[in-house]
Amino acid sequence: NAGVMQNPRHLVRRRGQEARLRCSPMKGHSHVYWYRQLPEEGLKFMVYLQKENIIDESGMPKERFSAEFPKEGPSILRIQQVVRGDSAAYFCASSPNGGSTEAFFGQGTRLTVV
Amino acid sequence: AQTVTQSQPEMSVQEAETVTLSCTYDTSESDYYLFWYKQPPSRQMILVIRQEAYKQQNATENRFSVNFQKAAKSFSLKISDSQLGDAAMYFCAYRSGRRSSGSRLTFGEGTQLTVNP
Repeated sequence: NAGVMQNPRHLVRRRGQEARLRCSPMKGHSHVYWYRQLPEEGLKFMVYLQKENIIDESGMPKERFSAEFPKEGPSILRIQQVVRGDSAAYFCASSPNGGSTEAFFGQGTRLTVV
Repeated sequence: AQTVTQSQPEMSVQEAETVTLSCTYDTSESDYYLFWYKQPPSRQMILVIRQEAYKQQNATENRFSVNFQKAAKSFSLKISDSQLGDAAMYFCAYRSGRRSSGSRLTFGEGTQLTVNP
């Protein structure tokens, strides 16, 4: 759904650098979900955020990864000291509330670590 | 924890014919939702069809329909009159009915569908 905006679409980082992925949810949506898709695999849940709160981070790697969704501005997925294994497509989805049936996806950010 | 399994990594179909993609899931919950998403080469995740577990009637959206067997925990997708534009990766997904889960989805590994002219 074009309403969820992710940028950049493509991001190249050298090993050891930081990657910052941005997600602007659809207008009126206050819940955001991040997923990672490794090559040839399905999407795997990483983290579920509401404005200024992390609701569920059970899918986040314990180190180097963090996410936030501030009161103002986009949600940010931050990967510190990237490694080759972080190369993947990262998708963001948003929903208006926690009870809504459907979440709407952005077009993803493809991260390549060289 | 819920799991979703798609046992067909690849499927192919002739244009205008019918194809069925399989999906099974495992859950101890009684309230949940099931989805099929399409992912073309553009990577955009497109919702194809949705089924509420409490509904006995199978969902239908134009050429797409599902066969939802709750007792067997099976949720297959049937595409009728296949078109070249249907070629894509198809993902089956599960959403818990618990409000604390929000709209979080658990995905299967996907089935790559090829449509032959």
